[in-house]
Amino acid sequence: NAGVTQTPKFRVLKTGQSMTLLCAQDMNHEYMYWYRQDPGMGLRLIHYSVGEGTTAKGEVPDGYNVSRLKKQNFLLGLESAAPSQTSVYFCASSMTSDQPQHFGDGTRLSIL
Amino acid sequence: QKEVEQDPGPLSVPEGAIVSLNCTYSNSAFQYFMWYRQYSRKGPELLMYTYSSGNKEDGRFTAQVDKSSKYISLFIRDSQPSDSATYLCAISANFNKFYFGSGTKLNVKP
Repeated sequence: NAGVTQTPKFRVLKTGQSMTLLCAQDMNHEYMYWYRQDPGMGLRLIHYSVGEGTTAKGEVPDGYNVSRLKKQNFLLGLESAAPSQTSVYFCASSMTSDQPQHFGDGTRLSIL
Repeated sequence: QKEVEQDPGPLSVPEGAIVSLNCTYSNSAFQYFMWYRQYSRKGPELLMYTYSSGNKEDGRFTAQVDKSSKYISLFIRDSQPSDSATYLCAISANFNKFYFGSGTKLNVKP
């Protein structure tokens, strides 16, 4: 049972490039989340999804887009990467809204 | 004002010590309280989950919630070097939105 798997684990981009981060969970969870973690800032919610085909904005959504075409996958896209988006990105999932979240091991993204 | 405040540490203790980690929060509507442990270059893993006030114990770990003071604590008894990690508190009113502390880095020295 892999839990929450994130790919890639590490990536370096140039300013203006685009990329997609993939999150996959094998726990049949309805809820999925994307966070970024920056030093001294804690985890900040970017976007989340309460089920297949649904997405919603979190605390810091600007510059990011998401899609949840399949229940097990949640994609995070950066259309035009900026240095301010250098961060560690974590995906999480939960069965219901009143259950704690399970996290992947993160994607370390550097934008030059 | 942040919704949840957490001392970043680092906190350094000798092996076998009792560790106390704390968070304060601002909104009395919060009723779900969690503690996560995060090892270097890993994702947060859930340690403890409590609802409303009171204590919850799991092995060497005890989570305590004082809603009157808006204060939550995690106690680690007989701390081990393997407990060295960053500990994050997380708080929610209705689970649709979580607020995470910035984490306290703990180092347990052999």
